[in-house]
Amino acid sequence: EVQLLESGGGWVQPGGSLRLSCAASGFTFSSFVMNWVRQAPGKGLEWVSGISGSGGSTYYGDSVKGRFTISRDNSKNTLYLQMNSLRAEDTALYYCAKSLTTRLRGGFGYWGQGTLVSVSS
Amino acid sequence: QSALTQPASVSGSPGQSITISCTGTSSDVGGYNYVSWYQQHPGKAPKLMIYEVSNRPSGVPNRFSGSKSGNTASLTISGLQAEDEADYYCLSYTSSSTLVFGGGTKLTVL
Repeated sequence: EVQLLESGGGWVQPGGSLRLSCAASGFTFSSFVMNWVRQAPGKGLEWVSGISGSGGSTYYGDSVKGRFTISRDNSKNTLYLQMNSLRAEDTALYYCAKSLTTRLRGGFGYWGQGTLVSVSS
Repeated sequence: QSALTQPASVSGSPGQSITISCTGTSSDVGGYNYVSWYQQHPGKAPKLMIYEVSNRPSGVPNRFSGSKSGNTASLTISGLQAEDEADYYCLSYTSSSTLVFGGGTKLTVL
């Protein structure tokens, strides 16, 4: 059974940093693109970032490019999101999502339950 | 990258059919057959309902179907049931090697 368990969320002041983790199990982690998707309170879904199975290719949405860094450790079956220069508008529930295939384009077959990030002074 | 355009809300009675549209451009929806649809109930994680425009994952009822014409993709739910009441989002691959969601549609079953 595929399981994705996010952690690392919390409260941080504007300009601060936070690192999210997503522990994966139940599938060959290194074979799939992994993603972060966020949802601000009462708002819609926003794709944040994706990373290839090897970690050699990374992809970012315009709103986080240059501030967030996605990475993975295939030996630990864990996905990360390093978030720097955080802003109030980054406040959201952050989901880890497994792509359907080895490529970015196919959609997300599995989602975690999310970890909440709150940015405020 | 601007969000894809979805109607804010749609509604239908049990047993009826509804269609939710998702409009983009030739750089996303129109340019690739990589549109997927997600159902989200309040307080829950999204669930994949359709991938690659018209494919249904195992376990998704065949009441759910997807299609695309030009720059607009559509999700149709036939034989509406009370449990279909949820928010629905489309997602498309883009020419910039990114992904973009629609703004979401709230489905109300009357």
